[in-house]
Amino acid sequence: AQKVTQAQTEISVVEKEDVTLDCVYETRDTTYYLFWYKQPPSGELVFLIRRNSFDEQNEISGRYSWNFQKSTSSFNFTITASQVVDSAVYFCALSEAGTQGAQKLVFGQGTRLTINP
Amino acid sequence: SAVISQKPSRDICQRGTSLTIQCQVDSQVTMMFWYRQQPGQSLTLIATANQGSEATYESGFVIDKFPISRPNLTFSTLTVSNMSPEDSSIYLCSVELWDRDPPYNEQFFGPGTRLTVL
Repeated sequence: AQKVTQAQTEISVVEKEDVTLDCVYETRDTTYYLFWYKQPPSGELVFLIRRNSFDEQNEISGRYSWNFQKSTSSFNFTITASQVVDSAVYFCALSEAGTQGAQKLVFGQGTRLTINP
Repeated sequence: SAVISQKPSRDICQRGTSLTIQCQVDSQVTMMFWYRQQPGQSLTLIATANQGSEATYESGFVIDKFPISRPNLTFSTLTVSNMSPEDSSIYLCSVELWDRDPPYNEQFFGPGTRLTVL
């Protein structure tokens, strides 16, 4: 069965520090998608990134970067020079690709990130 | 991309009553999903709603408690029936947009319905 583990329940850092959120997944399928979402205090889910299982290239978007390693089944997320506005709960999620496209998402437990001024 | 709206955005309900949550998408989609997020918890899939067929429920969720309608490709409703305080959660609908060539998949979420049951 699919499973996503975010071992870090809460992280607290001082502004401008770099912070990495860990995500480890389990799946039997060779084709799948990995996602990161941000949930600020307002509650909405903000899509950050999708990565398919055939693309192990790391990605950088501004202060955000993602490290996908199939060998360790990990998809870690790093925020460089963190800012107070980065404070939120971050979810990693896994979806398997079916015949009609990707199916349901399985979410990790989330990591609550607090950036202190 | 897809823009999703949900109604109501929040509600406070009495034990034993039912609430129907609406989800509207600005484009036609095949599959719509309903998730529940209990306070301080992660998101759990309730069911998948495919237009023209019965919804598929995940383990632990039943149709009598969470009936779903999917009358067309842009709309779905989730009813939380005979509510108890344990049903207090955020309920989110989502849709997937996908293509084969090139491979593409994204899941978009609505803003959620924050439900409190007294």
